Amino acid sequence: GQNIDQPTEMTATEGAIVQINCTYQTSGFNGLFWYQQHAGEAPTFLSYNVLDGLEEKGRFSSFLSRSKGYSYLLLKELQMKDSASYLCAVSDSNYQLIWGAGTKLIIKP
Amino acid sequence: ETGVTQTPRHLVMGMTNKKSLKCEQHLGHNAMYWYKQSAKKPLELMFVYSLEERVENNSVPSRFSPECPNSSHLFLHLHTLQPEDSALYLCASSQGRDGTGGYNEQFFGPGTRLTVL
Repeated sequence: GQNIDQPTEMTATEGAIVQINCTYQTSGFNGLFWYQQHAGEAPTFLSYNVLDGLEEKGRFSSFLSRSKGYSYLLLKELQMKDSASYLCAVSDSNYQLIWGAGTKLIIKP
Repeated sequence: ETGVTQTPRHLVMGMTNKKSLKCEQHLGHNAMYWYKQSAKKPLELMFVYSLEERVENNSVPSRFSPECPNSSHLFLHLHTLQPEDSALYLCASSQGRDGTGGYNEQFFGPGTRLTVL
């Protein structure tokens, strides 16, 4: 079966760095997405990786290793507004998005 | 504001009611999606429409019936739902498959919080 695993919840301190991991087992691979979802709001796109390596976008970076079926989202200089759920999703061989259950990130002052 | 709107934002209905959820996208996209989001569970893809034709249906119960009259509008008709159908229903749109065949990033609406009594 197809499966996306990510931690349920993480806690970090304002100003610090946090890494949210995602491992996947899917039938085929056509890219991996990270989305951010604040409570009661719509998910919003953060990043897309289809090749191995690191993609940097401001305070957020996303890494992919296709051979390991692994990705992480790195958030630097954490701000209180970064408190949200972070969703990992993989596009499979049929270009259907398979979603993880999301990681709730709690930022403490 | 993502350019995708959904109405209503909240809906409470009995199991014998019939209601419809509406989604509208103002982004010029050609693919639209319905997702179900339950607490602490992954997003579940329900339906995909590309160029107004349904291309995927992940074995969703027939009490959910989608309708896509044009590329900007998407409806989800609800009939004789069960309490376990209570969830957040999200609509999304994208530009559909890109030149490599892959779907582009999806833009989500704010969702409809559905409660079935």
